[in-house]
Amino acid sequence: GAVVSQHPSRVICKSGTSVKIECRSLDFQATTMFWYRQFPKQSLMLMATSNEGSKATYEQGVEKDKFLINHASLTLSTLTVTSAHPEDSSFYICSAITDTQYFGPGTRLTVL
Amino acid sequence: GDSVTQMEGPVTLSEEAFLTINCTYTATGYPSLFWYVQYPGEGLQLLLKATKADDKGSNKGFEATYRKETTSFHLEKGSVQVSDSAVYFCALRETDSWGKLQFGAGTQVVVTP
Repeated sequence: GAVVSQHPSRVICKSGTSVKIECRSLDFQATTMFWYRQFPKQSLMLMATSNEGSKATYEQGVEKDKFLINHASLTLSTLTVTSAHPEDSSFYICSAITDTQYFGPGTRLTVL
Repeated sequence: GDSVTQMEGPVTLSEEAFLTINCTYTATGYPSLFWYVQYPGEGLQLLLKATKADDKGSNKGFEATYRKETTSFHLEKGSVQVSDSAVYFCALRETDSWGKLQFGAGTQVVVTP
């Protein structure tokens, strides 16, 4: 089936730095991708919808200036966590849709 | 707003035991309901789905029936295997909300030989 990859799988950074997470659809083109965030033992929460060639749509309460999303091609969306702080530590998961919704394996971000 | 509640884990079972994971939901409309599974180190995979009341989704020996009267979508499997060890997520999607899945917290299932 269709595969969605994420890179890196884990990242540790210092507070105040920026981190970029990549989401790729490996064998299909995705005009729309989604970014989710998951806190320990909690649900996945939709952060934003990433649209190829246009601005992302953010869910209520998600800071668009902090979580920059770029969907520059039909197979790549990136999430940049700017000026990361410890409270941004979380598990970030992307998803892409063809006939169904496929999820990446997630990226564990730890901000020290 | 919409929400999904599922039983907390971990659920530990012996091989060939019967598995039930409870899932209930609240929704304003007529949502579609899903079960996703996440195996260690992998992304979420769609396990089964149901799009209207009384529909039964099934896959790989798992079943779940969309019960509107009890707002439930419980997952069942009659005889689990060690390979079923994973985290299971119940989710809903409102009509015309493509991609906007509302997830439960996930239930970890551990099957021992």
